[in-house]
Amino acid sequence: GAVVSQHPSWVICKSGTSVKIECRSLDFQATTMFWYRQFPKQSLMLMATSNEGSKATYEQGVEKDKFLINHASLTLSTLTVTSAHPEDSSFYICSASVSSGFSDTQYFGPGTRLTVL
Amino acid sequence: QKEVEQDPGPLSVPEGAIVSLNCTYSNSAFQYFMWYRQYSRKGPELLMYTYSSGNKEDGRFTAQVDKSSKYISLFIRDSQPSDSATYLCAMSEGGGYQKVTFGTGTKLQVIP
Repeated sequence: GAVVSQHPSWVICKSGTSVKIECRSLDFQATTMFWYRQFPKQSLMLMATSNEGSKATYEQGVEKDKFLINHASLTLSTLTVTSAHPEDSSFYICSASVSSGFSDTQYFGPGTRLTVL
Repeated sequence: QKEVEQDPGPLSVPEGAIVSLNCTYSNSAFQYFMWYRQYSRKGPELLMYTYSSGNKEDGRFTAQVDKSSKYISLFIRDSQPSDSATYLCAMSEGGGYQKVTFGTGTKLQVIP
């Protein structure tokens, strides 16, 4: 199957700093990328959907000024957590697909564990 | 009440056992049903995808959907230690991946 990578796999930062997470589709062009957050023992929650070259669409309750998403190319999307706080500590997972429809498979990255001290 | 309910487990079974994983849901408009496998510290991987009611089989895996009971199941035959993972159910009314609701996952451990 297709491969989606994320970098870094884990990061620890101080409260108030910003952290950038990269998501890359390694062997296909991902028109659509998704960013999820997963807290322990909770469901995978979609944060935003991004299409290459367009502004991301954020889910209700997700602050777009705090979680900046850039989908600059068909193989790279970045999520920047600005002014991170301990409550932002979570497992962030991206996924990529040729489209957002179920006819195209969605491939998940391995996730990035963020710990904010 | 959550839209999708899934027993978190953990569920421990001996190697070779038949495993039954289940989810219930409250939204009768759900039409698309998925099962994902997630290994520790990894992203989910799609296992099975079913549209509407019925059964679907793929190797050792069988997915069942009973829309009248709002109940879906994933059966794993001849379970292997490599099946040890968290299994997430997910479902959607349609409209693409941005409209998918995930369960919290059931942790399965297959003991050699």
